[in-house]
Amino acid sequence: AQSVAQPEDQVNVAEGNPLTVKCTYSVSGNPYLFWYVQYPNRGLQFLLKYITGDNLVKGSYGFEAEFNKSQTSFHLKKPSALVSDSALYFCAVGGSSASKIIFGSGTRLSIRP
Amino acid sequence: DAGVIQSPRHEVTEMGQEVTLRCKPISGHNSLFWYRQTMMRGLELLIYFNNNVPIDDSGMPEDRFSAKMPNASFSTLKIQPSEPRDSAVYFCASSPGGGRKGELFFGEGSRLTVL
Repeated sequence: AQSVAQPEDQVNVAEGNPLTVKCTYSVSGNPYLFWYVQYPNRGLQFLLKYITGDNLVKGSYGFEAEFNKSQTSFHLKKPSALVSDSALYFCAVGGSSASKIIFGSGTRLSIRP
Repeated sequence: DAGVIQSPRHEVTEMGQEVTLRCKPISGHNSLFWYRQTMMRGLELLIYFNNNVPIDDSGMPEDRFSAKMPNASFSTLKIQPSEPRDSAVYFCASSPGGGRKGELFFGEGSRLTVL
């Protein structure tokens, strides 16, 4: 069975500072890993994904994520946070076929001016 | 291009009534997912289809829930009879195959309130 954990319900960062949102996963075989963002009263939007290759994946809005196989982690990062980055962020995992996509519990990111 | 279209956006109904939620996926996408989002349980996968065929419905809560995809451009999620604990936002998402496999495009959701 596949699963994904986001250990932090909320992350608070000052604007301009780097941010990290944590995610760990469990899946059989090679994982497909994803980050999505949700703004209030909206559906989720795709940010980035890792399938294979370079462990550092770049995505939309300046976000990137680092895949670490030994730690089974896929943390979301951004070098300099913006107030507009404030939203709910979800990590997701799919098995080797990427057919069944399971989401974590979400982390609320709050960027203060 | 239009995104994933869900209807209704909001529905308020009374316990025991039948509820039907509708979804039109993005044209050309070959996978469709139904998720439910609540504060308590987060985002739960209910069922997903590949090429209109249900692949995994293990997340469907109970027999009161059913989902169909009669063709590539339409899917329904039905709850009969509805209960207050079914109150949630229900999302439909579609996904292309090929190199973008696994990337989900979500609709705006259907907010269901069962009184």
